[in-house]
Amino acid sequence: DQQVKQNSPSLSVQEGRISILNCDYTNSMFDYFLWYKKYPAEGPTFLISISSIKDKNEDGRFTVFLNKSAKHLSLHIVPSQPGDSAVYFCAARGSGGSNYKLTFGKGTLLTVNP
Amino acid sequence: AAGVIQSPRHLIKEKRETATLKCYPIPRHDTVYWYQQGPGQDPQFLISFYEKMQSDKGSIPDRFSAQQFSDYHSELNMSSLELGDSALYFCASSHQTLSYEQYFGPGTRLTVT
Repeated sequence: DQQVKQNSPSLSVQEGRISILNCDYTNSMFDYFLWYKKYPAEGPTFLISISSIKDKNEDGRFTVFLNKSAKHLSLHIVPSQPGDSAVYFCAARGSGGSNYKLTFGKGTLLTVNP
Repeated sequence: AAGVIQSPRHLIKEKRETATLKCYPIPRHDTVYWYQQGPGQDPQFLISFYEKMQSDKGSIPDRFSAQQFSDYHSELNMSSLELGDSALYFCASSHQTLSYEQYFGPGTRLTVT
């Protein structure tokens, strides 16, 4: 079963507007969440993360919001730029012991149109 | 800044052959993770090592093995290759106590024919 879900396989946004990518999770043991950006034939690039004890983290144009009660997080990119066009993966990390592996969603392809 | 290095970047093997993928983590990172990404799929965790000891194991076939060496580089050994092993294999590294972020290498694209 998919413990991290990105229900929108694709999203198209106009340059300068806000991009909102959503992610839901089912495992309440996840304690840290990360967003990665991936271009074809390259490795995922770390963007931004958030601990489960916070509800918001901001870094430049990127903001991640976490609603722990709803088991939902979102990545906001504003303003969106054509160079942001890529696949965005939401990932979650388990807590406790050595369980630091990441569980990924299936990704959302963001296209920012000039 | 130094990044995770993976070699080779591309590898073509025939069925039943063996393959060895190498990963060199970011300096001072003590943990290495291996992930497999099939076509159109999300990365799936295979195995991880912390301070040269296996720390976690995911959906790694018994035909695969891995280890982390004294210089912290890691190797993923794959034997009796099958067509379904064709995928992108990513290595990621992190520093267990300093940060939770995992930084990924560029990947090795393995094609089994």
